[in-house]
Amino acid sequence: GESVGLHLPTLSVQEGDNSIINCAYSNSASDYFIWYKQESGKGPQFIIDIRSNMDKRQGQRVTVLLNKTVKHLSLQIAATQPGDSAVYFCAEANTGANSKLTFGKGITLSVRP
Amino acid sequence: DADVTQTPRNRITKTGKRIMLECSQTKGHDRMYWYRQDPGLGLRLIYYSFDVKDINKGEISDGYSVSRQAQAKFSLSLESAIPNQTALYFCAPCGPAVGEQYFGPGTRLTVT
Repeated sequence: GESVGLHLPTLSVQEGDNSIINCAYSNSASDYFIWYKQESGKGPQFIIDIRSNMDKRQGQRVTVLLNKTVKHLSLQIAATQPGDSAVYFCAEANTGANSKLTFGKGITLSVRP
Repeated sequence: DADVTQTPRNRITKTGKRIMLECSQTKGHDRMYWYRQDPGLGLRLIYYSFDVKDINKGEISDGYSVSRQAQAKFSLSLESAIPNQTALYFCAPCGPAVGEQYFGPGTRLTVT
């Protein structure tokens, strides 16, 4: 069946370094992708999204890259800060077929001071 | 998101009991979603609603029911709770784009 998954369950980075969180998706019909951040004790929070007609999108300190050829999505966080420590989820949707998101399992980002 | 309220925030109940989780929003969005989150499994969709008269099952609706009392309110019920329904439950009103979901603070439910 279709699924969205993440390569690594945890990622530890040094404060100030750049972080790269990867996600693989398998539904070739997905045309919309989102990254969410979930801090301890809170609900997921939208970070950035990208549509399938784009390869790259930048936000404030974050960049999402989409490689449709290999069905790969990544989130890059520049100059990682302690406040970036959280669980990160990728999600995909086929906006033409339905209005549902399929979430990946999540990866924990831990920032070392 | 401060515009999304979930009650209760924590609940411990016994097997076989009926329990209702409530969600209300002040964002004015027509679409609302209910998810459950289990460690290592991410978020899974239980039910979703496009408006008061439109309710749809998600991937794991068995054992759950919902009620959309008004645009602002979307309740999730467990008719007869079982231990494997122990999880963190999130409600999410949604804007025009499916990714524009505003998650509430969650309800931690434990079924003993």
